[in-house]
Amino acid sequence: DIQMTQSPSSVSASVGDSVTISCRASEVIGSWLAWYQQKPGEAPKLLIYAASGLQTGVPSRFSGSGSGTDFTLTISGLQPEDFATFYCQQTNSFPFTFGPGTKVDIK
Amino acid sequence: QVQLVESGGGVVQPGGSLRLSCAASAFTFSRYAMHWVRQAPGKGLEWVAYIRSDGSDRYYAESVKGRFSISRDNSKNTLDLQMNSLRPEDTAIYYCAKGASMGAAQLDYWGQGTLVTVSS
Repeated sequence: DIQMTQSPSSVSASVGDSVTISCRASEVIGSWLAWYQQKPGEAPKLLIYAASGLQTGVPSRFSGSGSGTDFTLTISGLQPEDFATFYCQQTNSFPFTFGPGTKVDIK
Repeated sequence: QVQLVESGGGVVQPGGSLRLSCAASAFTFSRYAMHWVRQAPGKGLEWVAYIRSDGSDRYYAESVKGRFSISRDNSKNTLDLQMNSLRPEDTAIYYCAKGASMGAAQLDYWGQGTLVTVSS
């Protein structure tokens, strides 16, 4: 199975800051990577697919990059509604493993 | 507006069985793969199972293989998860999620989840 890791596990930031979250796969997955945002008590929401594709309706301050084994999610100009936990997921092969998550909270 | 509504969760004793259902609406259900994903209390997301749009392919997480079975009824727009030989570590919120294509792809819409508690 492909193992996914994320760093950092948590980050404190202020409104207006830029935040970058890293995700690494244990083997090459091409661009088959998705990012999700989950707020407390809510279901996850798809932000980014195919490493850099912005899901319809997601603000452009969210961006993804990377290919192969290393990927990043960048939030440019944090907004109050962005504080949440973010997960990466590989969709290259089954099982579709998730990373452990990165919590972005208010400094 | 795509809607996915899970049902069937509850409290069950270890070794017991439970069947979860997911009712889908506002999209052509038969054209999209579907998934189950779970989240133990206070923990991260764990992908559980997948079924292709026409039901021809199914995959499972190792942790549930042989105990859980995913199925769908394209005539009723429903997705099911039959869970047998339940263990305390299966306690979680179970989410139904829509795939973005007929086969393997990202999960673009999620239900609100149903809580399964395995406890004596």
